[in-house]
Amino acid sequence: SAVISQKPSRDICQRGTSLTIQCQVDSQVTMMFWYRQQPGQSLTLIATANQGSEATYESGFVIDKFPISRPNLTFSTLTVSNLSPEDSSIYLCSVGQGDSGYTFGSGTRLTVV
Amino acid sequence: QKEVEQNSGPLSVPEGAIASLNCTYSDRVSQSFFWYRQYSGKSPELIMSIYSNGDKEDGRFTAQLNKASQYVSLLIRDSQPSDSATYLCAVNRGPAILTGGGNKLTFGTGTQLKVEL
Repeated sequence: SAVISQKPSRDICQRGTSLTIQCQVDSQVTMMFWYRQQPGQSLTLIATANQGSEATYESGFVIDKFPISRPNLTFSTLTVSNLSPEDSSIYLCSVGQGDSGYTFGSGTRLTVV
Repeated sequence: QKEVEQNSGPLSVPEGAIASLNCTYSDRVSQSFFWYRQYSGKSPELIMSIYSNGDKEDGRFTAQLNKASQYVSLLIRDSQPSDSATYLCAVNRGPAILTGGGNKLTFGTGTQLKVEL
């Protein structure tokens, strides 16, 4: 299965600033998925990133707050903008590979102060 | 109604016992189903995938799928303390073979399992 390198692993950010999270995959994949996991909660899909087109956002998530880039088939970034304490979460990228299921990056733990 | 439902637990079982984790889903067209294990502070790790009705075994793990009842379960035999984690059920509308990972996963809230000595 694919190996995903995600960074940073954690960060503490000031209110009103932004954080950009990067995911690098060791193989080419059509779609990458960005999830959020709030404390004690399950995973919620933020958006699906397809190379060469705009990301598709789930209900409750908007591009201005969570801009995504997907410049090629192995890389994607998620930016969390205009940070507030409510954005403190773990952010995860994921890719799927047919019967191999879906693999996750190691996650980014964001704390907003 | 939530799309994927799990009992949050905690489910406590003694070491060596069978742990039974259950999941129901609401979308009848769902075709592929996954169980993930998540240790505290770590990202989810795929344990099992299942696509057809019946049982699928892999080592100490058995996944069971009943599409008519919209029910998926995971059995862990000979439970070990190292199995203590949160187990997440995830559902995909598309068949994994054709999907190539192109469809999104919907997760349940997870069941916390504690295996006690």
